[in-house]
Amino acid sequence: QKEVEQNSGPLSVPEGAIASLNCTYSDRVSQSFFWYRQYSGKSPELIMSIYSNGDKEDGRFTAQLNKASQYVSLLIRDSQPSDSATYLCAVTEGYQKVTFGTGTKLQVIP
Amino acid sequence: DADVTQTPRNRITKTGKRIMLECSQTKGHDRMYWYRQDPGLGLRLIYYSFDVKDINKGEISDGYSVSRQAQAKFSLSLESAIPNQTALYFCATSDPMGQGAETQYFGPGTRLLVL
Repeated sequence: QKEVEQNSGPLSVPEGAIASLNCTYSDRVSQSFFWYRQYSGKSPELIMSIYSNGDKEDGRFTAQLNKASQYVSLLIRDSQPSDSATYLCAVTEGYQKVTFGTGTKLQVIP
Repeated sequence: DADVTQTPRNRITKTGKRIMLECSQTKGHDRMYWYRQDPGLGLRLIYYSFDVKDINKGEISDGYSVSRQAQAKFSLSLESAIPNQTALYFCATSDPMGQGAETQYFGPGTRLLVL
């Protein structure tokens, strides 16, 4: 059984700070990694995807992947109240179906 | 127009009733999925289909059935609804080819209450 683990939170950060969200996964052959954002009552939407070890930056978001440690993280710089949401980590092996974590709730305090 | 649509958006039904949730997509993707989401349990896969002739059970398929009527349509049925099927249901699609493969594109969700 493939597992994706996330701290449920809530993670509270002040506005303007860096929010760090973490995810671990159990399947060593996992190849593709995703971060989705979900506002309350809404559907998840993709923020970042990452496929190789290292960092990938997109605006205020940076995804970090360490396959040896089976660890993927999402950093949000200059956090804004509009970033308050639940962040879902997702992992897939090759062209197989995706496994989601239970999500971390982020609260950005003005 | 939305690329992935779900009907109905909200549904209240009674225990024992049969209901169908419908999903349509205009993205041209072969792969379609049904998930349910419950507080604290995240997204759990019910069924998935990699093409029109392919249907697969997910981790929580008991009590559910699906039909893939066409590439663009994937329906979820609850043959005899029970209260613990009360949840938020999402349909999603993906395209397995190229960069960004397996990115899930979600519909707006159907909120189901079984009394």
